[in-house]
Amino acid sequence: AQKVTQAQTEISVVEKEDVTLDCVYETRDTTYYLFWYKQPPSGELVFLIRRNSFDEQNEISGRYSWNFQKSTSSFNFTITASQVVDSAVYFCALSEASGGSYIPTFGRGTSLIVHP
Amino acid sequence: SQTIHQWPATLVQPVGSPLSLECTVEGTSNPNLYWYRQAAGRGLQLLFYSIGIDQISSEVPQNLSASRPQDRQFILSSKKLLLSDSGFYLCAWTRRAARTDTQYFGPGTRLTVL
Repeated sequence: AQKVTQAQTEISVVEKEDVTLDCVYETRDTTYYLFWYKQPPSGELVFLIRRNSFDEQNEISGRYSWNFQKSTSSFNFTITASQVVDSAVYFCALSEASGGSYIPTFGRGTSLIVHP
Repeated sequence: SQTIHQWPATLVQPVGSPLSLECTVEGTSNPNLYWYRQAAGRGLQLLFYSIGIDQISSEVPQNLSASRPQDRQFILSSKKLLLSDSGFYLCAWTRRAARTDTQYFGPGTRLTVL
């Protein structure tokens, strides 16, 4: 069974600090996909990134970067020079390619608060 | 491009009243559709998902039901709301037959049951 753990319930930082959100997953599938979503106070979940299990290259998009390590089953998300607008709840999710399920597994989310 | 709509955006209903939330997707055909609820604790709870018209799976036994009258329309209903039905309801879609596709979410409906 697939599982996603976001151990950090809430993180509080001051603007311009770097912050890393942890995501650890469990799966028996060899082919799977990992996702990160952002949920700002408005409520809508915004898709950030999708990464397949065969691509361990780190991804960078502006101030956002993602570190995928299969050896530790982790897909961590780092925000560099955080800004107040980064304040949101961030979700990590996992989808397995095999099996009959169309349902991704979400972590419980990490609330990031960036203080000015 | 694809767009997902939800309405209403907010709703305040008395206990025991009926509920109907609507979700529609534009710009795609044969999507998989999902209803989630998010209570104050922040986690996402999957309520229903549908891989086609008349193919709806329920994940949580409760007083809610879902229907898919058209390919790109997904409706969440209740005959009698409970206080515990309060929460933020999110609809999402993925491409048909794509188990690992990205889920795209609608703007959500905030429901308060009094």
